[in-house]
Amino acid sequence: VQLVESGGGVVQPGRSLRLSCAASGFTFSHHGMHWVRQAPGKGLEWVAMIWYDGSSQYYADSVRGRFSISRDNAKDTLYLELNSLRAEDTAVYHCAGGVNGTSAFDLWGQGTMVTVSS
Amino acid sequence: SFDLTQPPSVSVSPGQTARITCSGDSLPKEYVYWFQQKPGQAPLLVIYKDTERPAGVPERFSASTSGTIVTLTITGAQAEDEADYYCQSGGSGGLHVFGPGTKVTVL
Repeated sequence: VQLVESGGGVVQPGRSLRLSCAASGFTFSHHGMHWVRQAPGKGLEWVAMIWYDGSSQYYADSVRGRFSISRDNAKDTLYLELNSLRAEDTAVYHCAGGVNGTSAFDLWGQGTMVTVSS
Repeated sequence: SFDLTQPPSVSVSPGQTARITCSGDSLPKEYVYWFQQKPGQAPLLVIYKDTERPAGVPERFSASTSGTIVTLTITGAQAEDEADYYCQSGGSGGLHVFGPGTKVTVL
């Protein structure tokens, strides 16, 4: 049972990036999924959530209108499209999900680093 | 959105009891969850639904609630408990929030 993120890197302000999160070991299509980020030396910040079937999405105020969460249940993959990137979006981006019925965040990936810099 | 408040740091001697508080106006209406994060690692759930402990989490971790304040207690703290601890709440309406985190030092 694991989540593996990819797609991070260094990107200029104003540009876009797409992150992926590959799920394995559980029935991905049955669970809501989240993105949570952590800026260097800072705390956890919830970013976005998508329902198990992709029918609803929710966003933190800091990213609403710029980021887009989606999923492909046929590929067991979660995505985060990051647009109009700012320096303050620099962070490790974790995908997370509620797989065991205890919490919405009981399974975490190790994260992928996004650095926004000119 | 709603905010959660935690103390920035807590220090505890080995074998003693550490208490970490999390406060927020919404807490009487929403469950609270606690996560432990060690450097370079992903967060780990240590308490769910206010007071429940997941399988595999040591019994020295417990939690309690009182109105708008919830408390994570580490009874008999050990060196390996040194970490950052985050409370988290939300879910109704799709929005979630993490507290700012508390650095627990065991010395």
